[in-house]
Amino acid sequence: AQKITQTQPGMFVQEKEAVTLDCTYDTSDPSYGLFWYKQPSSGEMIFLIYQGSYDQQNATEGRYSLNFQKARKSANLVISASQLGDSAMYFCAMREGMTDKLIFGTGTRLQVFP
Amino acid sequence: NAGVTQTPKFQVLKTGQSMTLQCAQDMNHNSMYWYRQDPGMGLRLIYYSASEGTTDKGEVPNGYNVSRLNKREFSLRLESAAPSQTSVYFCATAVRGGNYGYTFGSGTRLTVV
Repeated sequence: AQKITQTQPGMFVQEKEAVTLDCTYDTSDPSYGLFWYKQPSSGEMIFLIYQGSYDQQNATEGRYSLNFQKARKSANLVISASQLGDSAMYFCAMREGMTDKLIFGTGTRLQVFP
Repeated sequence: NAGVTQTPKFQVLKTGQSMTLQCAQDMNHNSMYWYRQDPGMGLRLIYYSASEGTTDKGEVPNGYNVSRLNKREFSLRLESAAPSQTSVYFCATAVRGGNYGYTFGSGTRLTVV
């Protein structure tokens, strides 16, 4: 069955430092996509980064990179040079290729301090 | 502006009342989704529609029905609201199989008393 797990309910990081948010997944579909979203306190869902199951290289988008380890079924988000504005909830999500169903993990609350 | 529009933004219902949450998109996306968000539980998929005329159950479908009226609109109906359905509801859309982010509406905050 399709499943996403985020084991870190909360994380703290100092400004300008890097932080890794963990995500593991489970699926029997060989074709799938992995996403990370940011949800600030205002509530909107902001797309950050995408990784396809057949992509050979790790995805990067500015300060965000996705550490994709297919054999371990993990898709960790790395935020480099954290900023105060990065304080938010972060959700990992997976879409199965066959069904197009997108499910989310329970999220990690990141707090960046000066 | 292109995007996903949800109505209403806020709603208070009494137990047993019914209501329909509306979602409309002008993105020309095939796939549409309804989620509920509760503290500590992330977003849980209620129903989704991979294309016009099709709907499928998600993780938490009980107590809800959906209609994919056309490509643009996907509505969520609560036939007899219960306090356990108090939540924030999000609609989302995507190109089927797309490799970029899904587009979310701004959410509907529903309280059932």
